Amino acid sequence: EVQLVESGGGLVQPGGSLRLSCAASGFTFSSYWMSWVRQAPGKGLEWVANIKQDGSEKYYVDSVKGRFTISRDNAKNSLYLQMDSLRAEDTAVYYCARDGRPAANTHFQHWGQGTLVTVSS
Amino acid sequence: QSALTQPRSVSGSPGQSVTISCTGTSSDVGGYIYVSWYQQYPGKAPKLMIYDVSKRPSGVPDRFSGSKSGNTASLTISGLQAEDEADYYCCSYAGSSTLVFGGGTKLTVL
Repeated sequence: EVQLVESGGGLVQPGGSLRLSCAASGFTFSSYWMSWVRQAPGKGLEWVANIKQDGSEKYYVDSVKGRFTISRDNAKNSLYLQMDSLRAEDTAVYYCARDGRPAANTHFQHWGQGTLVTVSS
Repeated sequence: QSALTQPRSVSGSPGQSVTISCTGTSSDVGGYIYVSWYQQYPGKAPKLMIYDVSKRPSGVPDRFSGSKSGNTASLTISGLQAEDEADYYCCSYAGSSTLVFGGGTKLTVL
């Protein structure tokens, strides 16, 4: 069974940093693109970033470019999101998500339970 | 990277059919076959209902169907049931390995 478990969320002040982690199990992690998707309170879903199987390609939504860094450790079956220069508008539940097909980057079949990031003074 | 456009809300009575639209551009919905739909209950993670415009993952009832015409994709739910009341989001591949979601539609079963 595919499992994605996020951790690392919490309360942080504006301008601060936070590192989210996603522990993956139940599949060959190194064969899949992985993504972060967020949802602000009471708002819709927003794709944030994704990373290719070997980490050689990374893409971001414009609003986080230069502030967030996605990475992965295939030996540890883990996905990360380093979030710097955080703003109030980054407050959201952050989901780790996986495509339904190996080596594809077209939809999100599997989701974690999410971790809440609150940016506030 | 503009969000796809969905109606904020739709409603229908049990047994009826409802259709949720998702409008984008030729750079996303209109340019690729990679449109997906997600169902989300309050406080829960989204669930994939449709991918590649019209394919259903295993376990999703065939009451859910998807289609696309030009820059607009649609999700149709037939034989509406009370359990279908939820938020629905479309998503499209938008080129350069990026994806974009719609703003979401709240489905109310009357």
